Amino acid sequence: NAGVMQNPRHLVRRRGQEARLRCSPMKGHSHVYWYRQLPEEGLKFMVYLQKENIIDESGMPKERFSAEFPKEGPSILRIQQVVRGDSAAYFCASSPVDSSYEQYFGPGTRLTVT
Amino acid sequence: KQEVTQIPAALSVPEGENLVLNCSFTDSAIYNLQWFRQDPGKGLTSLLLIQSSQREQTSGRLNASLDKSSGRSTLYIAASQPGDSATYLCAVRTDDKIIFGKGTRLHILP
Repeated sequence: NAGVMQNPRHLVRRRGQEARLRCSPMKGHSHVYWYRQLPEEGLKFMVYLQKENIIDESGMPKERFSAEFPKEGPSILRIQQVVRGDSAAYFCASSPVDSSYEQYFGPGTRLTVT
Repeated sequence: KQEVTQIPAALSVPEGENLVLNCSFTDSAIYNLQWFRQDPGKGLTSLLLIQSSQREQTSGRLNASLDKSSGRSTLYIAASQPGDSATYLCAVRTDDKIIFGKGTRLHILP
């Protein structure tokens, strides 16, 4: 059983471009969580999704950020018009049934905005 | 609002010593507490998960304790090795999200 997969592992974007980060949960997991780790900061919760539903987006910046988890395919975290402050490591986690289960983390995507 | 604090922020100890990392949290209403290891530029490795009804968990040279009423957890590392050098993160599960501390950067001196 493969673990949580994230791609790309490293992503470089110029200011103003769009960044799309993908997360494939572990097999059998239907719940996905995104976290962001800014340089010298701890990991911060961004959003919690189930298939075709956003359950909790209390950690998402109000503008430019969006997330989806379609019925088929990976979860996508989209950042429009990136700025240098978006440079960070973005981690995805998944859990099997509901939010009371352990979350398993992917290797992260390191976004650099130049 | 749940807050997780880890002390110290950084720690250097000679190889072979036993050591303790501390974690405190402000709201005792948690599902579980988890310790992770993060190597520079890498992802998270889960070390130990303690459910809210448990007091401790052990894995090899690692032992984690949980005192929910006082909002504290410790991670004990026995007979430290240079390969233990990493950042150790404490995280508590509340509702549907995990709240992380900022971590303790551990350096084991050969």
